[in-house]
Amino acid sequence: DAGVTQSPTHLIKTRGQQVTLRCSPKSGHDTVSWYQQALGQGPQFIFQYYEEEERQRGNFPDRFSGHQFPNYSSELNVNALLLGDSALYLCASSPYIGDYGYTFGSGTRLTVV
Amino acid sequence: AQSVTQPDIHITVSEGASLELRCNYSYGATPYLFWYVQSPGQGLQLLLKYFSGDTLVQGIKGFEAEFKRSQSSFNLRKPSVHWSDAAEYFCAVGAGGTSYGKLTFGQGTILTVHP
Repeated sequence: DAGVTQSPTHLIKTRGQQVTLRCSPKSGHDTVSWYQQALGQGPQFIFQYYEEEERQRGNFPDRFSGHQFPNYSSELNVNALLLGDSALYLCASSPYIGDYGYTFGSGTRLTVV
Repeated sequence: AQSVTQPDIHITVSEGASLELRCNYSYGATPYLFWYVQSPGQGLQLLLKYFSGDTLVQGIKGFEAEFKRSQSSFNLRKPSVHWSDAAEYFCAVGAGGTSYGKLTFGQGTILTVHP
């Protein structure tokens, strides 16, 4: 049984560009959350999607947006990239909204130059 | 708003020695508490969680944690550390109410194990 799959695993972008990260949740999970983990820091909550809607949002600017598709997969989009957006982006899925039984993916390492 | 403090950035222990990683939280109500482990290049793996009931919680890989409300702590322990336990450990608190499902993490503690 595949867990949470994230793609790509690594990418390098230039400041000012836009990026899209992708996440496929664990089979049977319908809720997806995204976290940003800067180097040497703990993960920070970006937002959570359920039933194709953003249900909760952390303290991140509007440059960060997302989407959830009918098959529960999700995308994280970041516009106007800043050097400070360089981080590991983690996707986590859970069986239903409000459940803390998260499964985390291995993440996408984004480097902004 | 909830917060988590892990006072120790880096801990080094010898293989076979006991381990305690500290975690202090701030939250207005009864917290949902978690310990995760992250190996290099990997995502987070749940070690154990506390929601209610017995304050001593057993987890995977021989880890346990004790919830102490009076000290706002949820320290992680292991009686005998193995070289494979070397990793980064994160304590997290889960919100209730309208923020149910959101995790707030500490900064992490890097564990080095000497042979």
